[in-house]
Amino acid sequence: GQNIDQPTEMTATEGAIVQINCTYQTSGFNGLFWYQQHAGEAPTFLSYNVLDGLEEKGRFSSFLSRSKGYSYLLLKELQMKDSASYLCAFLTGANNLFFGTGTRLTVIP
Amino acid sequence: GAVVSQHPSRVICKSGTSVKIECRSLDFQATTMFWYRQFPKQSLMLMATSNEGSKATYEQGVEKDKFLINHASLTLSTLTVTSAHPEDSSFYICSARDRGFTNEKLFFGSGTQLSVL
Repeated sequence: GQNIDQPTEMTATEGAIVQINCTYQTSGFNGLFWYQQHAGEAPTFLSYNVLDGLEEKGRFSSFLSRSKGYSYLLLKELQMKDSASYLCAFLTGANNLFFGTGTRLTVIP
Repeated sequence: GAVVSQHPSRVICKSGTSVKIECRSLDFQATTMFWYRQFPKQSLMLMATSNEGSKATYEQGVEKDKFLINHASLTLSTLTVTSAHPEDSSFYICSARDRGFTNEKLFFGSGTQLSVL
């Protein structure tokens, strides 16, 4: 079957670094996405990993290990506006996106 | 960048009525569009995949006669919730894949919050 596990909630301090982990199980895999979603809004694309390793994009970095079925999203220099849900999703063999339930990140002063 | 326009953004309707949600790709051709549903504090669940000019492919458990999907052109897909009931109240989001088919080129609409009274 298909499954994604990520923490339900996390809290971090403004200016700090936070790592959001995601583990997944699937038979068909065409890449791992991270999206940011504010309540009542559509997801916003953050990153896409198809090969193992770390992809860095400004304050956001994403890591993928296909052999371990593991990814993480790293957010640096946290800002209050980073408070949102972060969705881990993989692209299935049929090229559909399968989403996790998301991690609600709260950034506190 | 590419934009997907979805409307209405919010709709409130009486039980038993039908509601149509439109999703348009504004500056690219979308051969494939996806419809998702999201209940509060839950993940986006894929409802169906629609390809231009052909019938939509529905995920298991999604009633195709209740959720009518039409993808008549490369820039427009519609989802009609027929005979809506309170349990259909949810956040519906469309997404579209650029015809150039690069996996990361998947763009989301802004979503439609449906409330059925």
